[in-house]
Amino acid sequence: KNQVEQSPQSLIILEGKNCTLQCNYTVSPFSNLRWYKQDTGRGPVSLTIMTFSENTKSNGRYTATLDADTKQSSLHITASQLSDSASYICVVRTSGGYNKLIFGAGTRLAVHP
Amino acid sequence: NAGVTQTPKFRVLKTGQSMTLLCAQDMNHEYMYWYRQDPGMGLRLIHYSVGEGTTAKGEVPDGYNVSRLKKQNFLLGLESAAPSQTSVYFCASSYLASGANVLTFGAGSRLTVL
Repeated sequence: KNQVEQSPQSLIILEGKNCTLQCNYTVSPFSNLRWYKQDTGRGPVSLTIMTFSENTKSNGRYTATLDADTKQSSLHITASQLSDSASYICVVRTSGGYNKLIFGAGTRLAVHP
Repeated sequence: NAGVTQTPKFRVLKTGQSMTLLCAQDMNHEYMYWYRQDPGMGLRLIHYSVGEGTTAKGEVPDGYNVSRLKKQNFLLGLESAAPSQTSVYFCASSYLASGANVLTFGAGSRLTVL
C-alpha cells in the first residue's frame, strides 16, 4: 500500500534554532516528492519539489533532501522565524493515471520567541 | 489575481441537510480537485476534474457529488450530510495533471455536521 509517514507529529522550537522534519514513503513507482507549508486556516503552499535524480534543493532557509534508495526525505529549516509556525506536509506522486498523490499527515511546527 | 477561492468558509449543517461548496479559479487551469482534511490524516481526494464537463471519482467519493459546468468553477455537493462528513474541505487546481506542476489550494471550507 502506498503510504507517506511524517515525523515528528509536532515540534516546538525556539526562534533562531534549526530543525529537521522527516518524511518516509512506501510509494511505487515514485515520480516526485513535494513539500508544502500550510499556515493555520489556509491551504497548503508548495515549498519545493524533489525528483528522483535530485539529492538536495534549497528555497531560502528551507533545504529539502531526498534519498531515493532509502525512500526518505527531510526538510531542514535554518534560523527559524515565528512565521515558520505551520504544518509541513510531504506529498509523493506516483506515476500512472491522473493525480496519483499521496499526502502525509504533516508535522505541526511551533516556533516560540 | 485571486487564485483559488472557496465559498463558504464555514458552515454548520444538521444531519440530512444538503449543501454545495463552490470553488472558483482564475488561472485558466484545466485540472481541479476537491480534498478533505481530517485530524491526523493526510489530505484525501474526493473527486477531481480534468476539464470542463468532466468529473471523476477520487479516493473517498461516497456521499459527494461534483459538477464542472464551467472551466473556472468546480462544485462539491452533499445531498444528505452525515456527521462523518465533518471536515475541512480544500479545493485545488493545476495547469496540467499534478506531476511536476504544483497544486494551488484554496483557503478551505470548514464544515460541521451535527
